Parts: sequence; C-alpha cells; structure tokens
Amino acid sequence: GIQVEQSPPDLILQEGANSTLRCNFSDSVNNLQWFHQNPWGQLINLFYIPSGTKQNGRLSATTVATERYSLLYISSSQTTDSGVYFCAVPSSGNTGKLIFGQGTTLQVKP
Amino acid sequence: DSGVTQTPKHLITATGQRVTLRCSPRSGDLSVYWYQQSLDQGLQFLIQYYNGEERAKGNILERFSAQQFPDLHSELNLSSLELGDSALYFCASSVDPGTNTGELFFGEGSRLTVL
Repeated sequence: GIQVEQSPPDLILQEGANSTLRCNFSDSVNNLQWFHQNPWGQLINLFYIPSGTKQNGRLSATTVATERYSLLYISSSQTTDSGVYFCAVPSSGNTGKLIFGQGTTLQVKP
Repeated sequence: DSGVTQTPKHLITATGQRVTLRCSPRSGDLSVYWYQQSLDQGLQFLIQYYNGEERAKGNILERFSAQQFPDLHSELNLSSLELGDSALYFCASSVDPGTNTGELFFGEGSRLTVL
C-alpha cells in the first residue's frame, strides 16, 4: 500500500520563528489533507490540497503531486501552534479512507 | 466545530467489559470512518461504512464491530476489552463520491481507558 513519511519527527521553535514540515508519499494521489492535533487531542482540518498552493493566515501548504510531496509552512509561530501535524492521503481503492503519516510534533516555546 | 459528533468523550472501564462508541456524521455525509490512535501506533484505520453498508476494513480486531444505521449514525462496539485497547477512537465523515477526492472531517474523539 501507499507509504506516507513525514519529516522532521520533532521540531522545537521559539515563538515568532518560521518552519517547514514535509510529507512524502509513495504513489500518485488525488487528495491530500493536513491536520493539526492540538494538545487536547482534537484533529483539526488545516488544508485539503491535492495540488497547488493554499494559504490560510500564517499557514500555507504546497503539494507537488508529480513529485509526490507536500509542504506545510508555518510563519511567525505562536505557542498555540504546538501539537502534532499530520498529513494523510487516500489508500488504494476508491473508498476515500486516508492513510496517515506518523506526524511531526511541534513545540513552540514562548 | 467539524460537524461530526462523538459520544462519550471519555470512558473508563475495566478489562473484559464491553463499550459502545457513537458517531453522528456531518449533515449530508454518507461515509463514516473509524480510526484508532494509540500512543505507539499512530492513527490506524479500522473500518468504513457508506450509506449503511461496510465498504472498507482495516486492522480491526474480531472483538470489535461496527454498524451504520439508516439515519447514518454509526456505532463502534468494543468487547472483551484489554489494557491495550486504551486509545483515542476517532470517527470521521465525508461525502465520499467514490473517487478518493472527498475531504474527511473528524470528530473530537472518544478517549477510552481500560483499567
């Protein structure tokens, strides 16, 4: 099945710093989602981005489907950005279920 | 608020017991997905229902079962519970047009602790 790898696994930033998280996937996809899991465990949709670039406030994402990777940019990080960031892509077969990467754990220090 | 509702939010029970987790999908979504998140396993797909029918199955244990009802809400039944079943159980829903392009929205999860 499709493999999803995220890097780095852990990231510690000072408040105000910028960061880039990467998601590589092993097969072509027509759907990719980024999620933020906050310290309370909630999974929050950040982006639905099968290709191209999207921006939402301080966050933006780019997916280059032909090269099988996606990037999540966080600018001017805040302590509330802390948590785990997951990317997820559909598995084979048209069921719509998503396969998740192992996540990047981000800690933003004040 | 994703529009997906899960109950209960927290559940503590003993080994050998049985529990039922409930999920109401977003209005209009026909597909429901169940995921398990353990400390050392990440987010693992368990099972999917589409309009009342099982559509995909992941690494779901035989002690676990699920169903989707005519009103589209779903229940995940966990029986003969073991310590290792302690986890966060998520439900997600999507419109799921069958082209792998549907966006999934997750509920807040049910945190199960087995003592």
